[in-house]
Amino acid sequence: DGGITQSPKYLFRKEGQNVTLSCEQNLNHDAMYWYRQDPGQGLRLIYYSQIVNDFQKGDIAEGYSVSREKKESFPLTVTSAQKNPTAFYLCASSIAGRTRESYSNQPQHFGDGTRLSIL
Amino acid sequence: AQSVAQPEDQVNVAEGNPLTVKCTYSVSGNPYLFWYVQYPNRGLQFLLKYITGDNLVKGSYGFEAEFNKSQTSFHLKKPSALVSDSALYFCAVRDKSGNTPLVFGKGTRLSVIA
Repeated sequence: DGGITQSPKYLFRKEGQNVTLSCEQNLNHDAMYWYRQDPGQGLRLIYYSQIVNDFQKGDIAEGYSVSREKKESFPLTVTSAQKNPTAFYLCASSIAGRTRESYSNQPQHFGDGTRLSIL
Repeated sequence: AQSVAQPEDQVNVAEGNPLTVKCTYSVSGNPYLFWYVQYPNRGLQFLLKYITGDNLVKGSYGFEAEFNKSQTSFHLKKPSALVSDSALYFCAVRDKSGNTPLVFGKGTRLSVIA
């Protein structure tokens, strides 16, 4: 089955600790995204990547880091600089398309999320 | 800059009645518009999208949405609500000329009461 796998489903972070959230997709999608979801605030974009070895900051990148060494994988590290990390984290992917328009009209497909809490 | 507004945090409807979840958008050019649904502790599931053409778009699970350019709206509708439709619904927009991720609204919680 094609899809996006996020792991772990639940994660706990200690004070001063960095934690890494995994996101793997087997949809052959070029673009991948990380969102943070807080109650009543919708989805806020953390980072996105449209091609391997390249990524851009989203609206709330401070305290987070990413890498895109493989097309299938886009891990997110929540660093100790992120003072309020408790949230539901969602990874998504989409077809990039050969043209800007063919990229723009594609929906994003989501994983089932990782819930991060502070110990 | 692109933005989406979902003016209602919560919509309650009786089972069997029609439902509407509202969405208005702002983009500099022509929009691509999307609706997603989220069930508890799950990711977002794609319902439907508007690209061009017919203003009434049909999607999954009997949902449809009407694009209105003059009112910059893209309201989600269903003729007869089911209890299983109870979930969180998100509207999203992307400018056709852009090369950027989707911008999401804050979501509307739909409760269908038996």
